[in-house]
Amino acid sequence: DAKTTQPTSMDCAEGRAANLPCNHSTISGNEYVYWYRQIHSQGPQYIIHGLKNNETNEMASLIITEDRKSSTLILPHATLRDTAVYYCIVSPNRDDKIIFGKGTRLHILP
Amino acid sequence: NAGVTQTPKFQVLKTGQSMTLQCAQDMNHEYMSWYRQDPGMGLRLIHYSVGAGITDQGEVPNGYNVSRSTTEDFPLRLLSAAPSQTSVYFCASTTSRGGRQAFFGQGTRLTVV
Repeated sequence: DAKTTQPTSMDCAEGRAANLPCNHSTISGNEYVYWYRQIHSQGPQYIIHGLKNNETNEMASLIITEDRKSSTLILPHATLRDTAVYYCIVSPNRDDKIIFGKGTRLHILP
Repeated sequence: NAGVTQTPKFQVLKTGQSMTLQCAQDMNHEYMSWYRQDPGMGLRLIHYSVGAGITDQGEVPNGYNVSRSTTEDFPLRLLSAAPSQTSVYFCASTTSRGGRQAFFGQGTRLTVV
């Protein structure tokens, strides 16, 4: 499986856009990019995923570079409730395993 | 639609005891998995299943057994609990259409003394 590299931690002011980067330089053509987050000690929560095109849903936007070697998760108007650990995962759609890395701890500052 | 339900939420075991952590999903998902999360650490995959009757090992399978007799249930058995198994355990159920989206339970907090 391709590995991902994320910053250990990031800060963002409340109300601003939070941009979380992820490098996945060894990603294969059939691998998707998934984002999950874990708030405090709760179970992880799915946010968004994509293959090649940029994606947007009610929670966030996912921007994938043209070469697919990196991506950015965007939370358009961060709130205090967005404080969490954010995990970027790459995995083939047919693969049955989701392997988590260490993620980015995002702090939203009031 | 309850999603993924884990029981119990909290458990204290003595070293050497055995127990089963329950996980049930009502979304008719084929894929289910178990993770453990140690304090301040990320999630590590223990075992997973791609359907009833089929299971496979994840990253840290030692000391745990699983079975999948029905689509809905995926219990995790600790054979002989050790203090190193003190952790929070999460069960996940995953869709298989149009990209995989995993739904997680709220976790079982296990302490082995």
